[in-house]
Amino acid sequence: QQQVKQSPQSLIVQKGGISIINCAYENTAFDYFPWYQQFPGKGPALLIAIRPDVSEKKEGRFTISFNKSAKQFSLHIMDSQPGDSATYFCAAIEFTGNQFYFGTGTSLTVIP
Amino acid sequence: NAGVTQTPKFRVLKTGQSMTLLCAQDMNHEYMYWYRQDPGMGLRLIHYSVGEGTTAKGEVPDGYNVSRLKKQNFLLGLESAAPSQTSVYFCASSYSRSQRRVPDTQYFGPGTRLTVL
Repeated sequence: QQQVKQSPQSLIVQKGGISIINCAYENTAFDYFPWYQQFPGKGPALLIAIRPDVSEKKEGRFTISFNKSAKQFSLHIMDSQPGDSATYFCAAIEFTGNQFYFGTGTSLTVIP
Repeated sequence: NAGVTQTPKFRVLKTGQSMTLLCAQDMNHEYMYWYRQDPGMGLRLIHYSVGEGTTAKGEVPDGYNVSRLKKQNFLLGLESAAPSQTSVYFCASSYSRSQRRVPDTQYFGPGTRLTVL
């Protein structure tokens, strides 16, 4: 059973547009929700993360929106650039129980 | 700092052969992890370690063994490789909650691409 469901599987956005990737989870014990960015041939790298006591976190062009009641969180990339073209993974972590789950990934292509 | 390094980068095995993947980190992290990444499946945790000498099973541990004899190293072993173990393997490390007051992130290595024929 997929602990974290991520959508869409792939996304094509024009340069300057907004990219939105969504994730949903079931386990309310998760206490940390990071997003990772992965370029081909590289390992994932942390992009931005949020804790469930916060509804939104913004770092530059990247924003996480978190809806605790709906058990959903999303990544928004504003003013998307070709250099943002990569695979993005959401994750849900419960530190007490050492539970680490990743979504299935979204391949983002930003067209110049 | 090299961060998290993995050796080898690529490997081809025949069914039934064994091998060990090495992960090393120089960040004094307590926690270390092994994941496999398959198309459409995302990253799945194989085994992890919360400190030197301790290991635990993750989501998909069958067919793999691990050892953490030194804090900086985490080894992943395949005793009898199967084609289903063809994957890209990532090692990661992080601070523990006792090392930092807030949850921290996992730092990933560059990956090992393993093909089992």
